[in-house]
Amino acid sequence: SQTIHQWPATLVQPVGSPLSLECTVEGTSNPNLYWYRQAAGRGLQLLFYSVGIGQISSEVPQNLSASRPQDRQFILSSKKLLLSDSGFYLCAWSVMGVIINGYTFGSGTRLTVV
Amino acid sequence: GENVEQHPSTLSVQEGDSAVIKCTYSDSASNYFPWYKQELGKRPQLIIDIRSNVGEKKDQRIAVTLNKTAKHFSLHITETQPEDSAVYFCAASPSDTGRRALTFGSGTRLQVQP
Repeated sequence: SQTIHQWPATLVQPVGSPLSLECTVEGTSNPNLYWYRQAAGRGLQLLFYSVGIGQISSEVPQNLSASRPQDRQFILSSKKLLLSDSGFYLCAWSVMGVIINGYTFGSGTRLTVV
Repeated sequence: GENVEQHPSTLSVQEGDSAVIKCTYSDSASNYFPWYKQELGKRPQLIIDIRSNVGEKKDQRIAVTLNKTAKHFSLHITETQPEDSAVYFCAASPSDTGRRALTFGSGTRLQVQP
């Protein structure tokens, strides 16, 4: 069966520090991969998605970047964190295909920038 | 791009009553509409979905209806229980040639009073 792993679960980082969040998927090939951010009490904002290795689509211009170095690995990064980067970061995957199926979300990373 | 509006933002019902959450979407080519439930501090989980070739789908106490002409879809929960308390998100998929990512509504916080 397919599983998605996301780490770390919680993170407290100072303003201006770098960030690296990792997500890996097991049990499937060629997944669509996604990074979403959820501010406290708010909805789900799409940050990046990827339909293949090295293919990244950015939804919101900001100081974050994403990379997909391997088929089932998706990394979210920042060179210098801002206070506004605080939030709940969720990785998700879906089956590759013409029609989107439901996502499966990872357990999330709660990031607090201080 | 796609825009999904969700109402109400908060909903309080008595245990045993029904709850209805409504969403509208803007892209007439959208063809897949999932609903997610997110408990406090947890990841969103898919609870039910519907495709554009179906008008209604039911799974025990949960049902979803879709009106493609009016571009709206709704989640119906009958005989609500305290464990139904959570935030619910609707979402819509893009057209087959659009971006491969779901657009989410802003969420509805459902509180079931015992």
